[in-house]
Amino acid sequence: GENVEQHPSTLSVQEGDSAVIKCTYSDSASNYFPWYKQELGKRPQLIIDIRSNVGEKKDQRIAVTLNKTAKHFSLHITETQPEDSAVYFCAASIRGSQGNLIFGKGTKLSVKP
Amino acid sequence: GAGVSQSPSNKVTEKGKDVELRCDPISGHTALYWYRQRLGQGLEFLIYFQGNSAPDKSGLPSDRFSAERTGESVSTLTIQRTQQEDSAVYLCASSLQALNEKLFFGSGTQLSVL
Repeated sequence: GENVEQHPSTLSVQEGDSAVIKCTYSDSASNYFPWYKQELGKRPQLIIDIRSNVGEKKDQRIAVTLNKTAKHFSLHITETQPEDSAVYFCAASIRGSQGNLIFGKGTKLSVKP
Repeated sequence: GAGVSQSPSNKVTEKGKDVELRCDPISGHTALYWYRQRLGQGLEFLIYFQGNSAPDKSGLPSDRFSAERTGESVSTLTIQRTQQEDSAVYLCASSLQALNEKLFFGSGTQLSVL
């Protein structure tokens, strides 16, 4: 089945710097790649997603890139702010299993003021 | 309701007891997922329901785990003969339809097995 690897597991940056989180997936048939943010004690929430027919998507300070050939995708956060501190999860869908999502193990991002 | 509702929010049980967790998805959402999140860990897929199709049970860790869903409404996750390693937050999520749609998560049930 699908396997999603996520790196790094923890990331600490200074406020204003950029943060990059990377994920790889194993199933070449996967076609949907969302990113979820989970603040401490709260539920995960979708922040951005990308489908396999595009290579990059941007939403204000957040961008996601996808390399289908290499089977990896990345989350980029620019001009980080303390409120960006959270755990970020990448995920990939398995085509043919009616929408099942497999998540990475998460990256704990700490933004120091 | 406005969002995905889960109950109870916290459950403490003794090893060997059965527990039942409930999820009320957003009205009209046909897809429903259960995930398990151990402390400081990622989201582990358990089971997925889509409309009247057969559920995807490929993530259930053992035959002690089962789940039901009535139509496109409430779902219950049952854990029989609970073990200490079952302690985790059990998250339910729903989406408008299957195939690459945004998931809306509930706030989870914190299960503690003593």
